Amino acid sequence: LAKTTQPISMDSYEGQEVNITCSHNNIATNDYITWYQQFPSQGPRFIIQGYKTKVTNEVASLFIPADRKSSTLSLPRVSLSDTAVYYCLVGGYIPTFGRGTSLIVHP
Amino acid sequence: SQTIHQWPATLVQPVGSPLSLECTVEGTSNPNLYWYRQAAGRGLQLLFYSVGIGQISSEVPQNLSASRPQDRQFILSSKKLLLSDSGFYLCAWSGGQGARGLIYEQYFGPGTRLTVT
Repeated sequence: LAKTTQPISMDSYEGQEVNITCSHNNIATNDYITWYQQFPSQGPRFIIQGYKTKVTNEVASLFIPADRKSSTLSLPRVSLSDTAVYYCLVGGYIPTFGRGTSLIVHP
Repeated sequence: SQTIHQWPATLVQPVGSPLSLECTVEGTSNPNLYWYRQAAGRGLQLLFYSVGIGQISSEVPQNLSASRPQDRQFILSSKKLLLSDSGFYLCAWSGGQGARGLIYEQYFGPGTRLTVT
């Protein structure tokens, strides 16, 4: 099971782009990378998933370099409502959440 | 559409008392079901998962148990609660386990806030 490392916390301001990087040096060939968002007192919510290069949806973009040893979740023009914990998950038969990155968006 | 229900929403129980949390899923069949616990300020800890009726896998040995008496019903129990059992309990379901390396999207319930006093 690939271990992931993320920053514990990040701060940003409204309107800025936020990039959260996740390291997964021992990612397996078949592993996908998945990101979830969790608001206080709620369950996590799926944001985006990818295998390589770039994936974009209406909420975020996911950048995965060629060696796939890291990935970056990009949130464009964040607002106060993007304040949440963001989790990076890699492959695995069973989803495993780490401690995630606590993003605080300031006015 | 699929929905997932958990109850109760909040619970305060004394140490040594029993526990029963229930989770039900609607709108899908043969889901994978999961129980997670989140202690204050911590990440999600997977407690149990089930791929079918009567099939339970435990990730963390402790004084909790889980059962799946029906396809879309998942129950978390304890005979005697400990202070350390306090936390936010989340039930989740997914459509299955994908090909190797692919994590199926999980859908989480509203959670139960348990305080053991």
